[in-house]
Amino acid sequence: VQLLQSGPEVREPGASVKLSCKASGYSFNDFYLHWVRQAPGQGLEWVGIINPTSGIPSYGEKFRGRVTITRDTSTTTIYMEMSNLKSDDTAVYYCARGMEFKYGFFGFWGLGALVTVSS
Amino acid sequence: EVVLTQSPGTLSLSPGERATLSCRASQSVDSDYFAWYQQKPGQAPRLLIYDTSSRATDVPDRFSGSGSGADFTLTITSLEPEDFAVYYCQQYAFSWTFGQGTKVEI
Repeated sequence: VQLLQSGPEVREPGASVKLSCKASGYSFNDFYLHWVRQAPGQGLEWVGIINPTSGIPSYGEKFRGRVTITRDTSTTTIYMEMSNLKSDDTAVYYCARGMEFKYGFFGFWGLGALVTVSS
Repeated sequence: EVVLTQSPGTLSLSPGERATLSCRASQSVDSDYFAWYQQKPGQAPRLLIYDTSSRATDVPDRFSGSGSGADFTLTITSLEPEDFAVYYCQQYAFSWTFGQGTKVEI
């Protein structure tokens, strides 16, 4: 199992960013995929989940309206777009593979992508 | 939202000693929906324990998990040098939340 994430990004406040995570080594449609973030020196915060079969996402309450998670089954890639970025969105963003059922643990993680929001 | 509170914030121990990490939930969590992760500096988290007490693949048996209701514990029976890291608990019964982490330091 591999989750290959896109590279670091730098954005100004108010801008948007779109991260990608390419999954390989397993059947893409069989496992839910998540986004989790970690601000510098801080803990882990769940951002959202996508059902790769239906494409239906769910989001953590603080991210609703500002984050969009999508997937492309032809390239086995998921995306997370965050708009109206603020300085406290500066964090490493991880994609993680969940389980075959929605409410599961995270067995595999990508290496993370640092998003820096600064003017 | 289920809030997970880990204690202590930092655990200072020596190799060979036993580590006991606690995680308390703000409400009862089904034990089939509780996990622990290890994170080393500059690395992604790694799954250690799922469903409260099941070890993930390749996790040494010095790591064990237990608990029920709102109180869960991760025990490392004899610390190895590679075990010094930050540990996070997670519940996945009601959405997904993490504790704030316990740092195990030398």
